[in-house]
Amino acid sequence: AQSVTQLDSHVSVSEGTPVLLRCNYSSSYSPSLFWYVQHPNKGLQLLLKYTSAATLVKGINGFEAEFKKSETSFHLTKPSAHMSDAAEYFCVVSDRDGGYQKVTFGTGTKLQVIP
Amino acid sequence: DAGVIQSPRHEVTEMGQEVTLRCKPISGHDYLFWYRQTMMRGLELLIYFNNNVPIDDSGMPEDRFSAKMPNASFSTLKIQPSEPRDSAVYFCASSSRTGGRGEQFFGPGTRLTVL
Repeated sequence: AQSVTQLDSHVSVSEGTPVLLRCNYSSSYSPSLFWYVQHPNKGLQLLLKYTSAATLVKGINGFEAEFKKSETSFHLTKPSAHMSDAAEYFCVVSDRDGGYQKVTFGTGTKLQVIP
Repeated sequence: DAGVIQSPRHEVTEMGQEVTLRCKPISGHDYLFWYRQTMMRGLELLIYFNNNVPIDDSGMPEDRFSAKMPNASFSTLKIQPSEPRDSAVYFCASSSRTGGRGEQFFGPGTRLTVL
């Protein structure tokens, strides 16, 4: 069985300060992990993905995430927040379940960026 | 590729009417997912298909909802009869098991309003 937990439903940061969005997962196999971003009234866009290559993954718009197997975590970070980063972020785990690809979304973290 | 295509983008209907949402996945993708997103319940997986076959429909809320995938390039989600609580944004997504290891590509969504 797989699951994903986003530890914060809301995160508020000041513009120019670091961003940390936390995600923990559980999976029976070797999962793939993703972060998606959804801006208001928009669809979901892939931010970055981990697929068993380098544990530090760089994505678009200066975001990155580190896969830590020992901690079962895949936290999303950015050194300096921009106003345009205000959005909802979803952590996603994908692995095999009975021969099929199973995907589980986290409940989302809304990021507020304060000027 | 044009990406995942959904139609209509907006639908306003009256309670009791039949609603049909349409999705064209990315060519070559063998998985197709239907999601519903509301403020109250967040993002919910309704059903997903693999090679046109429904694999897991446990997220379909009730018998008023049905989904079909008659071929690899087309899927429908039907609500009959519709109710005001069905108002939501419905997303379709597709992915390829062999490529991307679970990365889903989302359509722009259909915003459904049931009066």
